[in-house]
Amino acid sequence: EDQVTQSPEALRLQEGESSSLNCSYTVSGLRGLFWYRQDPGKGPEFLFTLYSAGEEKEKERLKATLTKKESFLHITAPKPEDSATYLCAVSRSGGYNKLIFGAGTRLAVHP
Amino acid sequence: GAVVSQHPSWVICKSGTSVKIECRSLDFQATTMFWYRQFPKQSLMLMATSNEGSKATYEQGVEKDKFLINHASLTLSTLTVTSAHPEDSSFYICSARWGQGVGEQYFGPGTRLTVT
Repeated sequence: EDQVTQSPEALRLQEGESSSLNCSYTVSGLRGLFWYRQDPGKGPEFLFTLYSAGEEKEKERLKATLTKKESFLHITAPKPEDSATYLCAVSRSGGYNKLIFGAGTRLAVHP
Repeated sequence: GAVVSQHPSWVICKSGTSVKIECRSLDFQATTMFWYRQFPKQSLMLMATSNEGSKATYEQGVEKDKFLINHASLTLSTLTVTSAHPEDSSFYICSARWGQGVGEQYFGPGTRLTVT
């Protein structure tokens, strides 16, 4: 059965304290892995798409990496405005472009 | 680019009435639109997938007669919650994508539905 597991469930960081969020997946025929950011009461905001193992993408303080079993979202020197829930999702072959979401990691960055 | 809007952003209705939520892709043509619902502190649950001009495909356990989806054009999809009950109260979010290949979905801001 297709599964996406994110850890930790919640993470509290001090401003400037770098860390990583994990997304492990079990899916037959990965077509793409997606990272989104969601603020309370809002829809998810697209961050990155990764297609194959070894791929990396960066945007400001965020860097996403992908292996054959998991993806990491690295946050370098976070700021309080990075506080949000980060969602990981996968799309698989034969999945009609549907996304399978993980439960998310709630990140709180304190000054 | 890739902006998706939803209307209304919040709605309160009485039990037994119907509510329509609109989802629009503002700067691209959406070949596929998706409807999700999200409960507090939970992840997104896919309700249905709709392609322009076709009937929606509903996920297992989602009542298609209760949640009516219409994808009338390449920029508009609507979700109608019929005969709403308090248990239908939730955060409803739509997303849209273009093309047939692998690609990201862009999400609307969501609609908070409260049924009293």
